[in-house]
Amino acid sequence: SQTIHQWPATLVQPVGSPLSLECTVEGTSNPNLYWYRQAAGRGLQLLFYSVGIGQISSEVPQNLSASRPQDRQFILSSKKLLLSDSGFYLCAWSQGDGPQHFGDGTRLSIL
Amino acid sequence: KQEVTQIPAALSVPEGENLVLNCSFTDSAIYNLQWFRQDPGKGLTSLLLIQSSQREQTSGRLNASLDKSSGRSTLYIAASQPGDSATYLCAPSGSGGYQKVTFGIGTKLQVIP
Repeated sequence: SQTIHQWPATLVQPVGSPLSLECTVEGTSNPNLYWYRQAAGRGLQLLFYSVGIGQISSEVPQNLSASRPQDRQFILSSKKLLLSDSGFYLCAWSQGDGPQHFGDGTRLSIL
Repeated sequence: KQEVTQIPAALSVPEGENLVLNCSFTDSAIYNLQWFRQDPGKGLTSLLLIQSSQREQTSGRLNASLDKSSGRSTLYIAASQPGDSATYLCAPSGSGGYQKVTFGIGTKLQVIP
C-alpha cells in the first residue's frame, strides 16, 4: 500500500532563517506531488506541483521554492522566512487523475 | 477562477441524526470532485471521489452526489456518530495531468453523544 511521510510535524523558526520541509511517498512510482498551505480560516492554497523529477510548477509567487530530487521525494524550501510564511503545510500525491492523498502536515510558526 | 462555497460553515447535531453538507462551485467544467475530512491539526483524509460523468458515490454511511451542470455537490452522512466530528472539505478539480484542485473552507461538524 502507498504511504506518505512529512516531517517535521511542527517547526518554530525565527524570521530570516532558512527552511526545508521534506515529503516522501512509498509504494507508488512517478506520482504527481503537491505542496499546499492552509492558513487559519482559509482554504488550502496550492503552492507547487510536480509531475516528474526536476519538473516543478508554481501556482503563486512567493518566498518559497520546491524541488524534486528523486521520484518520490518533494522538498519545500526558503532562503529567508517571513512572518507571512507561518501556516500549516501539507504534502499530497496522486496517480494520474486519481484522488489526492495527504500527509499529516507540518505546523510552521515564525517568530 | 474556480470558487468553492460550503454551507453551513459549522453544524452541531445529536448522535444518530442524518445530515447533509452542501458544496457549490462556480466553474462547472470540472473533471472530478473529492470530499475530504480533516481532524484538528491533521492532514486530509479522502472520503469519496466522484468523476464528472457520475451522479453519486457511496462508501459505508457516506453518500456524495454531484450535479455538475448546476455546480453543486452534497455529502450525506447517515446515522451520525461522535467519531464523525471533523471538518469536511469539498474539492472540485479541473482537468490536467496535475489535477488542479480548489478547496472550500469546509464545514465543521460536531456530533454530540
